[in-house]
Amino acid sequence: QVQLVQSGAEVKKPGASVKVSCKVSGYSLTELSMHWVRQAPGKGLEWMGGFDPEDGETIYAQKFPGRITMTEDKSTDTTYMELNSLRSDDTAVYYCAAGPVTSWGFFDYWGQGTLVTVSS
Amino acid sequence: EIVLTQSPATLSLSPGERATLSCRASQSIGGYLVWYQQKPGQAPRLLVYDASKRATGIPARFSGSGSGTDFTLTISSLEPEDFAVYHCQQRSNWPLTFGGGTRVEIK
Repeated sequence: QVQLVQSGAEVKKPGASVKVSCKVSGYSLTELSMHWVRQAPGKGLEWMGGFDPEDGETIYAQKFPGRITMTEDKSTDTTYMELNSLRSDDTAVYYCAAGPVTSWGFFDYWGQGTLVTVSS
Repeated sequence: EIVLTQSPATLSLSPGERATLSCRASQSIGGYLVWYQQKPGQAPRLLVYDASKRATGIPARFSGSGSGTDFTLTISSLEPEDFAVYHCQQRSNWPLTFGGGTRVEIK
């Protein structure tokens, strides 16, 4: 049984950075294609970036130029998403989401979500 | 970027009725369309991938169809637990994109 467990809620001021973690159990990170998706209050889902197993590269949505970094620590099966220069419209629930590398691009597994609030 | 347009925004139906949800892509995505269900305060749940393949454990009352630019999710007979928001997503091209969602509410 795959589980994705995310870090807790964060409150940040505009201009600050946030780093959200997502620990995987039941699978190794090497077997999964990890992604991050966010959802602003009352809004739809927005893909932020993730691992392209065909190229072996992390791809980011163009909406976050230079502001987003996704990293992995394979020794602990934990993935991280860092978002810099936070603005009020970055207030959202951030989800890590994953699917097997053999069937990338959709998400069988989701974390519980991390609420990030950006407010002065 | 491929834009997905879901309709209607809200569907008001009674338990036992049939629900038909639409997702239209701005360009052809072949069969690479995914559907998720999301309930309040919960993460999305995978229902259907590649237009018509039900995910593990998903009841047979959920079925997906379509190809190219027009896709449909059908719930043959609504159960009380099916009232939720449904999202479509394409995996044909980077960036991955989602539709705006359809809320299925109790009439």
